[in-house]
Amino acid sequence: QQPVQSPQAVILREGEDAVINCSSSKALYSVHWYRQKHGEAPVFLMILLKGGEQKGHEKISASFNEKKQQSSLYLTASQLSYSGTYFCGTERGGIGGATNKLIFGTGTLLAVQP
Amino acid sequence: GAVVSQHPSWVICKSGTSVKIECRSLDFQATTMFWYRQFPKQSLMLMATSNEGSKATYEQGVEKDKFLINHASLTLSTLTVTSAHPEDSSFYICSVYLGLAGGGRYNEQFFGPGTRLTVL
Repeated sequence: QQPVQSPQAVILREGEDAVINCSSSKALYSVHWYRQKHGEAPVFLMILLKGGEQKGHEKISASFNEKKQQSSLYLTASQLSYSGTYFCGTERGGIGGATNKLIFGTGTLLAVQP
Repeated sequence: GAVVSQHPSWVICKSGTSVKIECRSLDFQATTMFWYRQFPKQSLMLMATSNEGSKATYEQGVEKDKFLINHASLTLSTLTVTSAHPEDSSFYICSVYLGLAGGGRYNEQFFGPGTRLTVL
């Protein structure tokens, strides 16, 4: 089942902050965050691993609550270049570890205005 | 990271014809690739997992006889949309999986630029 993201869309002024949430009904091994510009492929932002390890982008942070099966992406001091659609990609655990398959969330459209 | 290419970047075809989309890993050997489909303003939907040298694993609801996947080498996976119809028009994206065992920083997928298919 597809993870649900909230909000569906958000409009920001440059310099404002935003939080994007991703909620899954399944237990997760990791959560990956991507940003996609219109007509382009998704670009990797960061990954959050079960156990709290976090790797990725310099100016964007995220959290992963394994018990609640939720992740949040924090965008601070937004820039025009942050505009796009954000997707969480959730990876479930399997026998021996991760399944390596990503199930993408419903998406959040972010528009940053000058 | 891995560099992934797709060909063609866009294709327009008539209903009933078959279309082949190529996904290439340009700088490392990929035993696992994934194929996604994305309709306008929607999320990426995983179609199948392509494994080099073995049959692809399809997600529930994806017709394996309609979407033929061949992963004949470690650098190339192909998706053939057979007897395409207008409802197959979509953005098809492949990704290459690079895990820790393969020398990646962590389990990560690198996406190709996508192929836009329009069926008339």
